[in-house]
Amino acid sequence: ETGVTQTPRHLVMGMTNKKSLKCEQHLGHNAMYWYKQSAKKPLELMFVYSLEERVENNSVPSRFSPECPNSSHLFLHLHTLQPEDSALYLCASSQQTGMGNTIYFGEGSWLTVV
Amino acid sequence: QQQVKQSPQSLIVQKGGISIINCAYENTAFDYFPWYQQFPGKGPALLIAIRPDVSEKKEGRFTISFNKSAKQFSLHIMDSQPGDSATYFCAASMNSGYALNFGKGTSLLVTP
Repeated sequence: ETGVTQTPRHLVMGMTNKKSLKCEQHLGHNAMYWYKQSAKKPLELMFVYSLEERVENNSVPSRFSPECPNSSHLFLHLHTLQPEDSALYLCASSQQTGMGNTIYFGEGSWLTVV
Repeated sequence: QQQVKQSPQSLIVQKGGISIINCAYENTAFDYFPWYQQFPGKGPALLIAIRPDVSEKKEGRFTISFNKSAKQFSLHIMDSQPGDSATYFCAASMNSGYALNFGKGTSLLVTP
């Protein structure tokens, strides 16, 4: 069983919908991340939270809105998405931010925007 | 601009053979180089990592070779097995940072 749990695993949404992806880590980590994985592209870092504070927003469009209510939970709120936003969204966590801290990924949420 | 370039995009190796995946980087400030393995339907998982103070690190059948002057590092999988069939990602990051810069991935198929 993975230490990072993501729900839902699959989501289909229309361009006018509002939905949220949820992530929970059971590892006692202090840092959480959202990554986007598209076909034939490198994994793209979207957001980083350290101790519930956002420390990086990697030029992500405002239609993606993260929320980190505590160190164990991370949300990605989605609204008015575009078809090109269809991808696998991976949540991850690490003990701290910084070099050498192993990042543990969840299994991802497959998002299809129609 | 892609910070880590990975090749090949796909690789087919016979069981028992050696799989070799290469990565190159430009930013000399990078000093942490992990490799991740991803099976279908799963998230990436850390396989092995190296720091530039050593030229090689071995864990079981997996070896990272690091060439600091050439700014290249590679993953060697010895005695490749069908269970090694997965996508492999190299990555790099800086000491003070947390952003892992990933390569595009290599899809490895090990045939029986």
